[in-house]
Amino acid sequence: GAVVSQHPSRVICKSGTSVKIECRSLDFQATTMFWYRQFPKQSLMLMATSNEGSKATYEQGVEKDKFLINHASLTLSTLTVTSAHPEDSSFYICSASRDRGEQYFGPGTRLTVT
Amino acid sequence: QKEVEQDPGPLSVPEGAIVSLNCTYSNSAFQYFMWYRQYSRKGPELLMYTYSSGNKEDGRFTAQVDKSSKYISLFIRDSQPSDSATYLCAMYSGGSNYKLTFGKGTLLTVNP
Repeated sequence: GAVVSQHPSRVICKSGTSVKIECRSLDFQATTMFWYRQFPKQSLMLMATSNEGSKATYEQGVEKDKFLINHASLTLSTLTVTSAHPEDSSFYICSASRDRGEQYFGPGTRLTVT
Repeated sequence: QKEVEQDPGPLSVPEGAIVSLNCTYSNSAFQYFMWYRQYSRKGPELLMYTYSSGNKEDGRFTAQVDKSSKYISLFIRDSQPSDSATYLCAMYSGGSNYKLTFGKGTLLTVNP
């Protein structure tokens, strides 16, 4: 159990467009979902934490208006990168947490902005 | 001093070797400890989740926690080439705050 999916796995978009990434917990209800960003050969950088039905909590330095997070249900969270620019190109990973707190990660989405 | 210290390696071992991966931490509030394995261009996979000091075994993996020394370890027995990956330690303090603090990860290569 504890499977998390992400869609799409890879996306290429043009500068100025918006991209939506979906994160789903497939076999459990997630009390909390997290969004991370990872640069090559670096560890995970937490962007925001979200709970179902409430506003996301963003980490310092993360632009709320650029990275929109919607946590519509206990199994679905979405991250929308608005007006994407080449510097937004990165590997975005979501995770979902059950009651015990351990986080289960999705496979990641590679975003390339041209 | 960083909250979690982890030697980034790289660590290279022959197939069948016993691998020891370690993290130290400075925040005594951390109560829950995890080890993740991350293959290149993939999301991290949870390997071990521990709370108490002591050992926890799962197949070829053993997680060890020493809260008095603020030190955690992951041992891999009979290592296989498929174990080649980056291993991340992670921890959090508990309660309603599930925010994890990660080590930087150790890159492991198991040579056939």
